[in-house]
Amino acid sequence: DVKVTQSSRYLVKRTGEKVFLECVQDMDHENMFWYRQDPGLGLRLIYFSYDVKMKEKGDIPEGYSVSREKKERFSLILESASTNQTSMYLCASSFLAGNTIYFGEGSWLTVV
Amino acid sequence: AQSVTQLDSQVPVFEEAPVELRCNYSSSVSVYLFWYVQYPNQGLQLLLKYLSGSTLVESINGFEAEFNKSQTSFHLRKPSVHISDTAEYFCAVSDIGTGGGNKLTFGTGTQLKVEL
Repeated sequence: DVKVTQSSRYLVKRTGEKVFLECVQDMDHENMFWYRQDPGLGLRLIYFSYDVKMKEKGDIPEGYSVSREKKERFSLILESASTNQTSMYLCASSFLAGNTIYFGEGSWLTVV
Repeated sequence: AQSVTQLDSQVPVFEEAPVELRCNYSSSVSVYLFWYVQYPNQGLQLLLKYLSGSTLVESINGFEAEFNKSQTSFHLRKPSVHISDTAEYFCAVSDIGTGGGNKLTFGTGTQLKVEL
C-alpha cells in the first residue's frame, strides 16, 4: 500500500523559530511535493523535487526552502517562521512519469 | 499557465439526493484531470481521474465525472449521496507532458455536506 508519512501532525512554533517539516515515502517515487492548504485558497504548490538534490520552486516559495538528500525524504524548512505561515502543509509524491499523486495526512502548523 | 475554478464553495444536500460539483479549467495545452477528496483531518485521496479515452470516468464509490473539452469542464456527480460522502472535494489539472513532475493545479475546493 502507498504510504506518505509526515512526521508531525500538529506543531506550535514561535515567530522567528526555524521549523522543519519532514516527509517520507516508501514507494520509490522520484517526485515529491510540498503544498500549503488554506481555507478558500485550495492547495498551493510551495516546492517540488524530481530527484535527489534537485528542487524547483512552485507558486509560493517565498519564506520556505527544501532539502532532498535521500530519495525517500523531502523536508520543508521555514527559516524564520511568521504568523502568516500558520497553515496546513501537505506532502505528496509520485512516479516521474506517473499521473497520480499520493498525499500524506498533513501537518497543521500554528505560528504564535 | 493553467487554472481551475470550482464555483461552489459549499454544497448542502440531503441524503439519497443527487449532487453535482462543478469544475472548470483553463489551459493552453492538453490536460489530465482529477478529483480528490479530503475527509476531516486527513490528507487528500484520489477519487477519479481522466487521462484519455472515454470521457466518462467512475470511482468505486459511485461518483462519476465527465470530461467536456468544448466546455472545459470536469463536473463530478453522484446520483444518490450518503452521509459518509461529507467531505471537501478538490478538482485538479495537470498539463500533459510538461515534465518536472506532473505538477497539479488545484481548485479552491467544494465542501459537500450531506444532511439527514
